Amino acid sequence: GQQLNQSPQSMFIQEGEDVSMNCTSSSIFNTWLWYKQDPGEGPVLLIALYKAGELTSNGRLTAQFGITRKDSFLNISASIPSDVGIYFCAGRMRFGAGTRLTVKP
Amino acid sequence: EAGVAQSPRYKIIEKRQSVAFWCNPISGHATLYWYQQILGQGPKLLIQFQNNGVVDDSQLPKDRFSAERLKGVDSTLKIQPAKLEDSAVYLCASSSSSSDGALEYFGPGTRLTVL
Repeated sequence: GQQLNQSPQSMFIQEGEDVSMNCTSSSIFNTWLWYKQDPGEGPVLLIALYKAGELTSNGRLTAQFGITRKDSFLNISASIPSDVGIYFCAGRMRFGAGTRLTVKP
Repeated sequence: EAGVAQSPRYKIIEKRQSVAFWCNPISGHATLYWYQQILGQGPKLLIQFQNNGVVDDSQLPKDRFSAERLKGVDSTLKIQPAKLEDSAVYLCASSSSSSDGALEYFGPGTRLTVL
């Protein structure tokens, strides 16, 4: 089946730094979704992308839908401690394995 | 607006026992999903309902897992009998449509531990 490959698996950054993570697929997607999951909670949708090349922002978050429709990236600018969590990309009800973000104050 | 409700939040059972999880989606959402999330992995779709009909259950282990959404609103997921490898968080999500890219809203999940 379709596989979504997320990288990196984990990141340790200092508060205030920018973060970038990405997701690639072996098949084409019509939609890319980015979620954040906190411990003990379900994933919460951050950004939805619907068109190839689309660049969308949500506060300090920016995500882009790759031109090939097989990849997407998520950037977080000026990270803060509450950005800690696991970030998932998803498409067609398939999820990547997640990127675990740790922010040191 | 109330979110997706799930119960119980935690369940501990012994292998070979049965267990059931309940989900109440966001009011008016026709599409309901059950996912299994094993520790350290992303959620994996088990089954998708559109109203009271099954849209996709290709990844549901049907020899032991069953799910129903009889009245097209709330849903139950059952495991009978449970195995050790069923230990996971079971997430329910709902959306207003079943189209590709429909925005899914997740509940808090039920954490199952099988001993």
